Amino acid sequence: GENVEQHPSTLSVQEGDSAVIKCTYSDSASNYFPWYKQELGKRPQLIIDIRSNVGEKKDQRIAVTLNKTAKHFSLHITETQPEDSAVYFCAASYDKVIFGPGTSLSVIP
Amino acid sequence: DAGITQSPRHKVTETGTPVTLRCHQTENHRYMYWYRQDPGHGLRLIHYSYGVKDTDKGEVSDGYSVSRSKTEDFLLTLESATSSQTSVYFCAISESTRYGYTFGSGTRLTVV
Repeated sequence: GENVEQHPSTLSVQEGDSAVIKCTYSDSASNYFPWYKQELGKRPQLIIDIRSNVGEKKDQRIAVTLNKTAKHFSLHITETQPEDSAVYFCAASYDKVIFGPGTSLSVIP
Repeated sequence: DAGITQSPRHKVTETGTPVTLRCHQTENHRYMYWYRQDPGHGLRLIHYSYGVKDTDKGEVSDGYSVSRSKTEDFLLTLESATSSQTSVYFCAISESTRYGYTFGSGTRLTVV
């Protein structure tokens, strides 16, 4: 079955700096790659996603890239703000979504 | 609120007792999922459903069963709760396997 790895597990950045979270997946059939943000004590929420026919997608300060050959995908957050502090989960899906273990991002004011 | 509700929000139960968690949606989405969330493990899929009476196992299905008799309801049952099933359980819904999920607010289950 699908296995998703995610790095780093924790990440601290200064406000205004960029943050990058990287994921790898094992099942070459996976064709949908969502990212979720979970604030403390709340439910995960979808922030951006990318499908296998696209290499990059951007939404304001957030961008995702996908390298299907290498089975890598990444989340990039620019101009980080304190409200970006949360746990971020990558995921890969063919018939069901499998999540990575999460990255705890802290943005230091 | 987001068209998906979970009940109960919190539950404490004793080892060996049966427990049922309920997920209810008003979005008429075909797919429904149960995940558990534990520190260091992220979100792990327990069971999912792709239609009424159509369900399948996920990564960590042992000790759990599910039922979906109506589009809007997906029940998760722990037949005989164990301490290792202490966790936060999230239900999620989606239109298809290539669309994002909407998660419920979660159920915090403690087995003592």
